[in-house]
Amino acid sequence: QVQLQESGPRLVKPSETLSLTCTVSGGSVGSDTYYWSWIRKPPGKGLEWIGYIYYTESTNYNPSLKNRVTISYTSKNQFSLRLTSVTAADTAVYYCARADSHYYGSGLTWFDPWGQGSLVTVSS
Amino acid sequence: DIVMTQSPDSLAVSLGERATINCKSSQSVLYSSNNKNYLTWYQQKPGQPPKVLIYWASTRGSGVPDRFSGSGSGTDFTLTISSLQSEDVAVYYCQQYYNTPLTFGGGTKVEIK
Repeated sequence: QVQLQESGPRLVKPSETLSLTCTVSGGSVGSDTYYWSWIRKPPGKGLEWIGYIYYTESTNYNPSLKNRVTISYTSKNQFSLRLTSVTAADTAVYYCARADSHYYGSGLTWFDPWGQGSLVTVSS
Repeated sequence: DIVMTQSPDSLAVSLGERATINCKSSQSVLYSSNNKNYLTWYQQKPGQPPKVLIYWASTRGSGVPDRFSGSGSGTDFTLTISSLQSEDVAVYYCQQYYNTPLTFGGGTKVEIK
């Protein structure tokens, strides 16, 4: 059974870069037809999809963050998120999650499983 | 972007009573080529990640109790909990996977009356 776990600094200063890693156990991020995504939930707000990396290493980002975000593979069992020039508005619980591929529509399906989430606070 | 609007923001229901949550998309999420609605429902309890309840608008996820059901098509969808249990206290989200950017509803908080 595939499990995901986020890791990285919990406190980031304004204008700096937020970096998180998702470690996948029980599977490999580059060898199956899955989409590996980052999703966040700011305090008191709803869920926001950040972007994904496909097993082919193609990526797709939310236009609301597109100029600041990079998702990449760091190893066979890890993928990462980099978000530059952060502000307090980027304070959130960050989740990594997997979605299956599908021929029609967006190309991917619902998110399952998810990591437990990592709260990242942007503050000086 | 497809905007997902949920209602109500919160509701309090007595144990054993029915809870109904609505989700409306700003454009249809029904794909004509396969007649599938690209909509899912999640349940999120405090301190936990979201868990899939329903996908393709009406298919229950693995292990999901049959008191949870999804209905609707096109732009209007409903999640129904037929007999609310104490363990159902959570926030519920709808999400479309019809196109990118993938978008979520604002969430509906369900509590016990």
